[in-house]
Parts: sequence; structure tokens; C-alpha cells
Amino acid sequence: GAGVSQSPSNKVTEKGKDVELRCDPISGHTALYWYRQSLGQGLEFLIYFQGNSAPDKSGLPSDRFSAERTGGSVSTLTIQRTQQEDSAVYLCASSLGTSRGADTQYFGPGTRLTVL
Amino acid sequence: AQSVTQPDIHITVSEGASLELRCNYSYGATPYLFWYVQSPGQGLQLLLKYFSGDTLVQGIKGFEAEFKRSQSSFNLRKPSVHWSDAAEYFCAVGERNRDDKIIFGKGTRLHILP
Repeated sequence: GAGVSQSPSNKVTEKGKDVELRCDPISGHTALYWYRQSLGQGLEFLIYFQGNSAPDKSGLPSDRFSAERTGGSVSTLTIQRTQQEDSAVYLCASSLGTSRGADTQYFGPGTRLTVL
Repeated sequence: AQSVTQPDIHITVSEGASLELRCNYSYGATPYLFWYVQSPGQGLQLLLKYFSGDTLVQGIKGFEAEFKRSQSSFNLRKPSVHWSDAAEYFCAVGERNRDDKIIFGKGTRLHILP
């Protein structure tokens, strides 16, 4: 079956522009996660969606970052007024939603964002 | 607060040699423990996980990991590495409580010498 897909795979933008990154989770997965991966920094948690519950936004680094999940499926991560330090790979993952701490997460291939 | 440490940023081994990647965690109770692998240009894929029971866990691609409560460790091992094992490996720790968060280590990049 289809895995987690992300688009675009690469995005180059100019400082100050807004960008939208898309994630299509595995069908039937109620939990969705966004992470940021910078060189040597591992995975930085950004936001977690679970069903109809209020998302856990505790990892968003600034108010320039926001995310939504429409219809419990597709998610969009938006970065406004991009800065060079936003350059990273943005990973999306989904899981069954049984338990946040115990679920196996299934990752997409990521979007590589470069801010010039 | 829980934390997970992967002390080795890079490891280089020869093809056919044995491998051990270290992972230590800090948590008040026994957490859920995971190892994920990330091949170049790919997302992460689960290798194995430990929840309870037998402390030696078998995973995919010939990997195994052993949970040692006394050392707060969950080291990943493989008896004989293949060139295709070159990748980045992440240990992750999940909480067993209402907050239920998962924390990833910073990763260990494995290089294989021919």
C-alpha cells in the first residue's frame, strides 16, 4: 500500500517568502507528526495531530510556523517570512494513533527546504 | 524530563565486521524503546522496538537490540554488516504515561569500509 508522501521534495525560496509543505499520511492513520531535521541536530519535534483533539504545538519554534490538518488526513505546514535558519529537511510521519509513545511511526521522504 | 543519548556521532566499520551502536536514556520508568534507520534521501524506517518481556529484541535486516535496565541502555547490534547498512541510525524513547511523548536521539551515522 501507499506510504506517507510529502511534497514538494525540494523547495528553494528567498528569505522573507512564505512556503507551504504538504503531507499525505497513510490512510487510516489518525496521528500525524511534523519534525525538522537539521544537520547534526537529529529530529526536532514540531507538531502532533491526533484525531479531533487539539494539536500539540509545543515544538513550533516561532509564530512564523503553523500547521493544519484538514479532514483528519492531509496536513500542511506553513512557514511565513522564511529565514535562512529555517533551511532543513522537514519530515512528516503518521501512525495508527493508539499510543503516542508506543506507536510505530511511518515517515515520508521529507521536504528539503533551502532559504536563500 | 526524559532524554536519549547516542554518544557516537559517526562510526566506521569494515564490511563483514560486527557492529554495536550505543543508546542511553534517562527516564523514571521503563520506557518504550525504538531504533529507526534513515538511508540517504529517505525517511526513517523502524528497525525494532521494545515494550516489555524478553530484553533481547530481533528486528529487520538482521539487527537486534538488548534492553539493559541497570545501565539504562538499548544498544543496537549486528553480527556482520553489509555495505547497504550505511545509513543514519536513531534511537527513540517513548513515555509510558499520559503525556506519552517520544524523543529521538541525535543519531549515529554509520560508514562502511569495503
